[in-house]
Amino acid sequence: ETGVTQTPRHLVMGMTNKKSLKCEQHLGHNAMYWYKQSAKKPLELMFVYSLEERVENNSVPSRFSPECPNSSHLFLHLHTLQPEDSALYLCASSQESGQPQHFGDGTRLSIL
Amino acid sequence: GENVEQHPSTLSVQEGDSAVIKCTYSDSASNYFPWYKQELGKGPQLIIDIRSNVGEKKDQRIAVTLNKTAKHFSLHITETQPEDSAVYFCAASYRSGGSYIPTFGRGTSLIVHP
Repeated sequence: ETGVTQTPRHLVMGMTNKKSLKCEQHLGHNAMYWYKQSAKKPLELMFVYSLEERVENNSVPSRFSPECPNSSHLFLHLHTLQPEDSALYLCASSQESGQPQHFGDGTRLSIL
Repeated sequence: GENVEQHPSTLSVQEGDSAVIKCTYSDSASNYFPWYKQELGKGPQLIIDIRSNVGEKKDQRIAVTLNKTAKHFSLHITETQPEDSAVYFCAASYRSGGSYIPTFGRGTSLIVHP
């Protein structure tokens, strides 16, 4: 039990589909993060939500859209993805920004 | 922004040996340096961290050292065991507005042979 739960664990979708990834944390943390993990590349921070402030990596395409309705839930909405978007998407949370992060086990996304 | 370099990319040791993984960073404003261990099929898990006001920190077989002047930090694992086999990531966090932004290294695959 990691305290950070991601669903689904695996997702296969076509390029024209719309889907959402979900993350939930039960640790009482105030910051949540989305990362993309591809083979042979560093973990890439996509979005940070901290105390109602959103920070985003400017290199993330607009086909990825985050939503953080409250401090316990985080979504990543996917629309018209490309094959190069296939990767492991990790969610993490921390007490505050700059504190140790707790990661979920990720959603393995495959784009056909 | 920050740039983190991590070496080596692969490290193979015999059980009982020590393992050292090194990272360098570019932004002197970075002040938080965590290390994560990722096992197959799992998310990364924090194993140790250090802040820029400390030079060294130890937790049982694991230690981290930080040289702010040279902008590098290292992970040391002593008396390695097969269950230490995993991918290890370093990170450096810098402040952007009101948030701290972590930048990760590419990872080191540690293999401990029994």
